[in-house]
Amino acid sequence: GENVEQHPSTLSVQEGDSAVIKCTYSDSASNYFPWYKQELGKGPQLIIDIRSNVGEKKDQRIAVTLNKTAKHFSLHITETQPEDSAVYFCAATPYGNNRLAFGKGNQVVVIP
Amino acid sequence: NAGVTQTPKFQVLKTGQSMTLQCAQDMNHEYMSWYRQDPGMGLRLIHYSVGAGITDQGEVPNGYNVSRSTTEDFPLRLLSAAPSQTSVYFCASSYSSVGSGNTIYFGEGSWLTVV
Repeated sequence: GENVEQHPSTLSVQEGDSAVIKCTYSDSASNYFPWYKQELGKGPQLIIDIRSNVGEKKDQRIAVTLNKTAKHFSLHITETQPEDSAVYFCAATPYGNNRLAFGKGNQVVVIP
Repeated sequence: NAGVTQTPKFQVLKTGQSMTLQCAQDMNHEYMSWYRQDPGMGLRLIHYSVGAGITDQGEVPNGYNVSRSTTEDFPLRLLSAAPSQTSVYFCASSYSSVGSGNTIYFGEGSWLTVV
Protein backbone atom coordinates (compact mmCIF):
# COMPACT_ATOMS: atom_id res chain seq x y z
CA GLY A 1 0.00 0.00 0.00
CA GLU A 2 0.84 3.67 -0.07
CA ASN A 3 3.49 4.95 2.37
CA VAL A 4 3.67 8.68 3.07
CA GLU A 5 6.53 10.34 4.93
CA GLN A 6 6.70 13.92 6.23
CA HIS A 7 9.74 16.07 7.00
CA PRO A 8 10.61 17.75 9.30
CA SER A 9 8.64 16.46 12.29
CA THR A 10 8.74 19.83 14.05
CA LEU A 11 9.18 23.25 12.48
CA SER A 12 9.57 26.55 14.32
CA VAL A 13 9.31 29.81 12.40
CA GLN A 14 9.25 33.47 13.29
CA GLU A 15 5.96 35.22 12.69
CA GLY A 16 5.91 36.65 9.18
CA ASP A 17 8.39 34.12 7.79
CA SER A 18 7.50 31.25 5.46
CA ALA A 19 7.10 27.60 6.43
CA VAL A 20 7.58 24.64 4.10
CA ILE A 21 6.65 21.04 4.84
CA LYS A 22 7.63 18.29 2.44
CA CYS A 23 6.04 14.88 1.98
CA THR A 24 7.17 11.92 -0.07
CA TYR A 25 4.98 9.06 -1.24
CA SER A 26 5.71 5.59 -2.54
CA ASP A 27 2.84 4.60 -4.84
CA SER A 28 3.25 6.05 -8.33
CA ALA A 29 -0.50 5.46 -8.89
CA SER A 30 -1.40 8.07 -6.26
CA ASN A 31 -2.93 11.17 -7.81
CA TYR A 32 -4.80 12.93 -5.03
CA PHE A 33 -2.83 14.77 -2.34
CA PRO A 34 -4.67 16.65 0.44
CA TRP A 35 -3.26 18.58 3.39
CA TYR A 36 -4.99 18.72 6.77
CA LYS A 37 -4.54 21.07 9.71
CA GLN A 38 -5.22 19.85 13.23
CA GLU A 39 -5.53 22.29 16.09
CA LEU A 40 -5.15 21.13 19.67
CA GLY A 41 -8.11 19.04 20.80
CA LYS A 42 -9.80 19.17 17.41
CA GLY A 43 -10.25 16.89 14.44
CA PRO A 44 -8.17 17.43 11.27
CA GLN A 45 -9.55 19.87 8.74
CA LEU A 46 -8.79 20.02 5.01
CA ILE A 47 -6.89 23.19 4.09
CA ILE A 48 -5.82 22.51 0.51
CA ASP A 49 -5.49 19.64 -1.94
CA ILE A 50 -3.99 18.96 -5.33
CA ARG A 51 -4.47 16.43 -8.07
CA SER A 52 -1.74 15.03 -10.26
CA ASN A 53 -2.82 16.92 -13.36
CA VAL A 54 -1.51 20.21 -11.90
CA GLY A 55 1.85 21.12 -10.44
CA GLU A 56 0.82 23.91 -8.07
CA LYS A 57 -2.27 25.24 -6.35
CA LYS A 58 -2.64 28.38 -4.23
CA ASP A 59 -5.23 29.61 -1.77
CA GLN A 60 -4.34 32.96 -0.20
CA ARG A 61 -1.30 32.36 2.05
CA ILE A 62 -1.05 28.63 1.46
CA ALA A 63 0.11 26.71 -1.60
CA VAL A 64 0.88 23.14 -2.49
CA THR A 65 3.39 21.99 -5.11
CA LEU A 66 3.64 18.53 -6.60
CA ASN A 67 6.56 16.79 -8.29
CA LYS A 68 5.27 13.49 -9.63
CA THR A 69 8.61 12.45 -11.07
CA ALA A 70 10.29 12.68 -7.67
CA LYS A 71 7.12 11.59 -5.84
CA HIS A 72 7.00 14.45 -3.42
CA PHE A 73 4.68 17.32 -2.62
CA SER A 74 5.06 20.31 -0.33
CA LEU A 75 2.93 22.71 1.67
CA HIS A 76 4.02 26.36 1.66
CA ILE A 77 2.67 28.84 4.18
CA THR A 78 3.69 32.46 3.63
CA GLU A 79 3.52 35.36 6.09
CA THR A 80 2.96 32.97 8.98
CA GLN A 81 0.72 34.03 11.85
CA PRO A 82 0.30 32.64 15.38
CA GLU A 83 -2.96 30.95 14.34
CA ASP A 84 -0.97 28.86 11.85
CA SER A 85 0.52 26.98 14.82
CA ALA A 86 -0.89 23.44 14.54
CA VAL A 87 -0.12 19.92 13.38
CA TYR A 88 -0.22 19.49 9.61
CA PHE A 89 -0.83 16.14 7.93
CA CYS A 90 -0.26 15.26 4.31
CA ALA A 91 -1.96 12.32 2.64
CA ALA A 92 -2.06 10.50 -0.67
CA THR A 93 -4.23 8.01 -2.52
CA PRO A 94 -4.83 6.75 -6.05
CA TYR A 95 -7.91 7.88 -7.98
CA GLY A 96 -11.10 6.16 -6.82
CA ASN A 97 -9.37 4.51 -3.88
CA ASN A 98 -11.11 4.41 -0.54
CA ARG A 99 -7.97 4.35 1.61
CA LEU A 100 -6.25 7.64 2.32
CA ALA A 101 -2.70 7.14 3.60
CA PHE A 102 -1.58 9.85 6.04
CA GLY A 103 1.88 10.98 6.98
CA LYS A 104 2.80 11.14 10.66
CA GLY A 105 2.29 14.88 10.92
CA ASN A 106 4.37 18.03 11.37
CA GLN A 107 4.14 20.29 14.39
CA VAL A 108 4.45 23.89 13.20
CA VAL A 109 5.14 26.53 15.86
CA VAL A 110 4.93 30.19 14.89
CA ILE A 111 6.91 32.34 17.30
CA PRO A 112 5.42 35.83 17.78
CA ASN B 1 -24.90 22.36 10.93
CA ALA B 2 -23.76 19.35 12.99
CA GLY B 3 -21.46 17.63 10.47
CA VAL B 4 -19.82 14.53 12.03
CA THR B 5 -20.76 13.90 15.65
CA GLN B 6 -18.88 11.48 17.89
CA THR B 7 -19.81 10.25 21.35
CA PRO B 8 -18.49 9.89 23.96
CA LYS B 9 -15.70 12.47 23.92
CA PHE B 10 -13.84 10.85 26.82
CA GLN B 11 -13.99 7.28 28.14
CA VAL B 12 -11.98 5.16 30.55
CA LEU B 13 -12.30 1.39 30.23
CA LYS B 14 -10.91 -1.53 32.14
CA THR B 15 -9.03 -4.22 30.25
CA GLY B 16 -11.47 -6.76 28.87
CA GLN B 17 -14.50 -4.47 28.86
CA SER B 18 -16.41 -3.79 25.66
CA MET B 19 -17.82 -0.52 24.41
CA THR B 20 -19.13 1.25 21.34
CA LEU B 21 -17.99 4.59 19.98
CA GLN B 22 -20.86 6.27 18.23
CA CYS B 23 -20.58 8.28 15.02
CA ALA B 24 -23.30 10.07 13.12
CA GLN B 25 -23.25 12.42 10.13
CA ASP B 26 -26.04 14.55 8.74
CA MET B 27 -24.55 15.32 5.31
CA ASN B 28 -25.94 12.24 3.51
CA HIS B 29 -22.40 11.03 2.87
CA GLU B 30 -21.90 7.54 1.51
CA TYR B 31 -18.33 7.10 2.75
CA MET B 32 -17.56 6.83 6.47
CA SER B 33 -14.44 5.72 8.25
CA TRP B 34 -12.72 5.36 11.60
CA TYR B 35 -9.13 6.38 12.32
CA ARG B 36 -7.00 6.15 15.40
CA GLN B 37 -4.33 8.70 16.23
CA ASP B 38 -1.35 7.82 18.38
CA PRO B 39 1.67 10.01 19.19
CA GLY B 40 4.21 9.90 16.37
CA MET B 41 2.04 7.54 14.30
CA GLY B 42 -0.25 9.91 12.46
CA LEU B 43 -3.75 8.79 11.49
CA ARG B 44 -4.28 5.10 10.80
CA LEU B 45 -7.40 3.72 9.15
CA ILE B 46 -9.27 1.10 11.20
CA HIS B 47 -12.40 0.36 9.14
CA TYR B 48 -14.39 2.11 6.48
CA SER B 49 -17.73 1.88 4.72
CA VAL B 50 -18.76 2.93 1.22
CA GLY B 51 -22.47 2.72 1.95
CA ALA B 52 -25.13 1.13 4.13
CA GLY B 53 -24.48 -2.58 4.53
CA ILE B 54 -20.91 -2.39 3.17
CA THR B 55 -17.81 -2.30 5.35
CA ASP B 56 -14.14 -3.13 4.82
CA GLN B 57 -10.96 -3.31 6.84
CA GLY B 58 -8.36 -0.62 6.94
CA GLU B 59 -4.77 -0.68 8.10
CA VAL B 60 -5.32 -1.65 11.75
CA PRO B 61 -8.66 -3.52 12.08
CA ASN B 62 -7.79 -6.11 14.75
CA GLY B 63 -9.83 -5.77 17.94
CA TYR B 64 -12.51 -3.61 16.33
CA ASN B 65 -15.86 -4.32 14.70
CA VAL B 66 -18.09 -2.04 12.65
CA SER B 67 -21.48 -2.17 11.00
CA ARG B 68 -23.40 0.25 8.78
CA SER B 69 -27.14 -0.27 9.02
CA THR B 70 -28.02 3.30 7.99
CA THR B 71 -26.35 5.99 5.89
CA GLU B 72 -26.08 8.26 8.92
CA ASP B 73 -24.49 6.00 11.56
CA PHE B 74 -21.21 4.11 11.73
CA PRO B 75 -20.47 2.76 15.23
CA LEU B 76 -17.09 1.31 16.21
CA ARG B 77 -17.11 -1.57 18.69
CA LEU B 78 -14.25 -2.62 20.91
CA LEU B 79 -14.95 -6.24 21.76
CA SER B 80 -12.44 -6.75 24.61
CA ALA B 81 -10.49 -3.60 25.34
CA ALA B 82 -6.70 -3.78 25.67
CA PRO B 83 -4.24 -1.11 26.84
CA SER B 84 -2.87 -0.99 23.27
CA GLN B 85 -6.22 0.48 22.23
CA THR B 86 -5.64 3.58 24.31
CA SER B 87 -5.82 6.27 21.64
CA VAL B 88 -7.77 9.13 20.15
CA TYR B 89 -10.38 7.91 17.70
CA PHE B 90 -11.72 9.99 14.82
CA CYS B 91 -14.76 9.28 12.72
CA ALA B 92 -14.82 10.81 9.25
CA SER B 93 -17.16 11.02 6.29
CA SER B 94 -17.13 12.15 2.67
CA TYR B 95 -19.61 12.31 -0.19
CA SER B 96 -17.91 9.50 -2.09
CA SER B 97 -14.54 7.80 -2.42
CA VAL B 98 -11.67 9.83 -1.03
CA GLY B 99 -9.55 9.10 -4.09
CA SER B 100 -11.99 11.04 -6.24
CA GLY B 101 -11.02 14.22 -4.49
CA ASN B 102 -13.96 14.33 -2.10
CA THR B 103 -13.31 16.29 1.07
CA ILE B 104 -13.17 14.19 4.24
CA TYR B 105 -14.88 15.76 7.23
CA PHE B 106 -13.63 14.66 10.64
CA GLY B 107 -15.43 14.55 13.96
CA GLU B 108 -13.97 16.15 17.08
CA GLY B 109 -12.48 12.90 18.37
CA SER B 110 -13.05 10.42 21.20
CA TRP B 111 -10.31 10.04 23.81
CA LEU B 112 -10.19 6.45 25.06
CA THR B 113 -8.02 5.17 27.89
CA VAL B 114 -7.83 1.46 28.72
CA VAL B 115 -6.41 0.65 32.14
